[in-house]
Amino acid sequence: KAGVTQTPRYLIKTRGQQVTLSCSPISGHRSVSWYQQTPGQGLQFLFEYFSETQRNKGNFPGRFSGRQFSNSRSEMNVSTLELGDSALYLCASSLRQTRDGELFFGEGSRLTVL
Amino acid sequence: KNEVEQSPQNLTAQEGEFITINCSYSVGISALHWLQQHPGGGIVSLFMLSSGKKKHGRLIATINIQEKHSSLHITASHPRDSAVYICAVSRPTDKLIFGTGTRLQVFP
Repeated sequence: KAGVTQTPRYLIKTRGQQVTLSCSPISGHRSVSWYQQTPGQGLQFLFEYFSETQRNKGNFPGRFSGRQFSNSRSEMNVSTLELGDSALYLCASSLRQTRDGELFFGEGSRLTVL
Repeated sequence: KNEVEQSPQNLTAQEGEFITINCSYSVGISALHWLQQHPGGGIVSLFMLSSGKKKHGRLIATINIQEKHSSLHITASHPRDSAVYICAVSRPTDKLIFGTGTRLQVFP
């Protein structure tokens, strides 16, 4: 059974650009959640999608957005990149919603903003 | 004060030692997760608990809902257990809140 796949694994952008990250969940999983990990702030919840609906969003500016497609694949987008957006972005999939489902994480997308 | 507190922040052990990592939280939760992160970033879910105790191999996780406290125990520790261990709580609103992690190094 294939795990959670995140693409791209590494990317470098410059300030002001935008970036789109992709997450393909485990087959049959309907929940995808996104997280940002930085040395200073640790792991922080970005948002969760369940059956194509955004269920909750963390305390991030509107530059951070996401969506989920009918096949449960999810994308997150960050517009007008800032240096502070450099981070490891992780997604996790779950059979059920985050509040009561075991999480399966991808390897992450490491974003560097120059 | 963080809503999820872990202790200790760093832990060094000799191979074979019994290890305990603690997690305290101050909010209402649906479940508590113990996660393991190796260098390079990938995170593996070790346990998801809403009550009692779970065991998987040399790992044991317990939770006391009344005291809002959980512990992760590693018996007969091994150098391959070296990693960052993260406690996270699921809120009823689906939000996941993370502790700051415990960095464990096990030496041969």
